[in-house]
Amino acid sequence: QSALTQPASVSGSPGQSITISCTGTSSDVGSYNLVSWYQQHPGKAPKLMIYEGSKRPSGVSNRFSGSKSGNTASLTISGLQAEDEADYYCCSYAGSSTNVFGTGTKVTVL
Amino acid sequence: QLQLQESGSGLVKPSQTLSLTCAVSGGSISSGGYSWSWIRQPPGKGLEWIGYIYHSGSTYYNPSLKSRVTISVDRSKNQFSLKLSSVTAADTAVYYCARSGRGAFDYWGQGTLVTVSS
Repeated sequence: QSALTQPASVSGSPGQSITISCTGTSSDVGSYNLVSWYQQHPGKAPKLMIYEGSKRPSGVSNRFSGSKSGNTASLTISGLQAEDEADYYCCSYAGSSTNVFGTGTKVTVL
Repeated sequence: QLQLQESGSGLVKPSQTLSLTCAVSGGSISSGGYSWSWIRQPPGKGLEWIGYIYHSGSTYYNPSLKSRVTISVDRSKNQFSLKLSSVTAADTAVYYCARSGRGAFDYWGQGTLVTVSS
């Protein structure tokens, strides 16, 4: 069970859109529509932003959206804001009642 | 509003057993449809799923940690616990408890740092 692969860093200017990829395998991301995304600010616990690939929990801005194609899931942040600067992690169900997280992506707002 | 709070020893000696408890308030740990997870994050590194338990007591663990991990539940106290045996410096991390369902972790504790050192 290997960690899902994310880019180490992604940056964008305020108002722009950015996309973070999360690449797994046919045993995890590719087989289940159970990818979730988390935002983590320094020193804080992660916060659920997207679940079941594209669903937003109550209270999460509609600037955050999720999608999947094959073995790769993606998180898009539109209308980038200073408060979006944080680490982001994907997570996928990996079968046999196990889960695997991504390597994490640092988002910088220029 | 569901709240989770980790507690336990912040310093553990190498080869000993790490023990943490997660107290759940604002809801019942016996609620159907959810499991209760432990996740850790070494300093400056990414998240690692450790395992989870259902209110029934069924447990599921990360294969890489399975031989050393035990998660248990105490329904009378509305809490669940983590034991990790034979710890080394590589087990130094912030440990989080969380509620999980449909592959997602929706409520998290604030996390507790556990350092493995003699």
